[in-house]
Amino acid sequence: EDQVTQSPEALRLQEGESSSLNCSYTVSGLRGLFWYRQDPGKGPEFLFTLYSAGEEKEKERLKATLTKKESFLHITAPKPEDSATYLCAVQGGTGGSYIPTFGRGTSLIVHP
Amino acid sequence: NAGVTQTPKFQVLKTGQSMTLQCAQDMNHEYMSWYRQDPGMGLRLIHYSVGAGITDQGEVPNGYNVSRSTTEDFPLRLLSAAPSQTSVYFCASRRGGVDTGELFFGEGSRLTVL
Repeated sequence: EDQVTQSPEALRLQEGESSSLNCSYTVSGLRGLFWYRQDPGKGPEFLFTLYSAGEEKEKERLKATLTKKESFLHITAPKPEDSATYLCAVQGGTGGSYIPTFGRGTSLIVHP
Repeated sequence: NAGVTQTPKFQVLKTGQSMTLQCAQDMNHEYMSWYRQDPGMGLRLIHYSVGAGITDQGEVPNGYNVSRSTTEDFPLRLLSAAPSQTSVYFCASRRGGVDTGELFFGEGSRLTVL
């Protein structure tokens, strides 16, 4: 059974204070690790897909990295508009439907 | 493109009532799914479909029914609503097959059962 654990559950940062969110996973045959951003009252919005250990992707102040056991979402010099819940999901290769498994998310608040 | 459209956005039901949450996508996606999101529980899969005429159960299917008669639509039916079904419901779609593309989510439907 695929499992995803995100930490911390909540994170408060001052504007400009860089930090990282963790996503630890166990999966049979990783076919993709996904990061999503969810604003209050909205549906999750796709950020990144990582496919293999060592891969990195960047978008503005966000950088996602992947190892064989975990992924990090690094936030550099965050701004208040980066406040959101960040969700991690993995998709394994077993079964015919490739259903993603989600973590419970990290709620990020960036204070001005 | 509209993407994934969910209706209604808000609904209040009494225990025992039935209703249907609508979901439509205009991206020709084969895969569609329904999640519920509760505080501290994350996204839990209710039902999913890999194409028209094909549906299957997810992690928390009890009390819910689905059908997939067209590629575009994937309605979720609550047959006899219970307070435990108070939640925010999200519909999501993606390309089908072995492609592991990202999910596209609707804006959500907030359901309260009294």
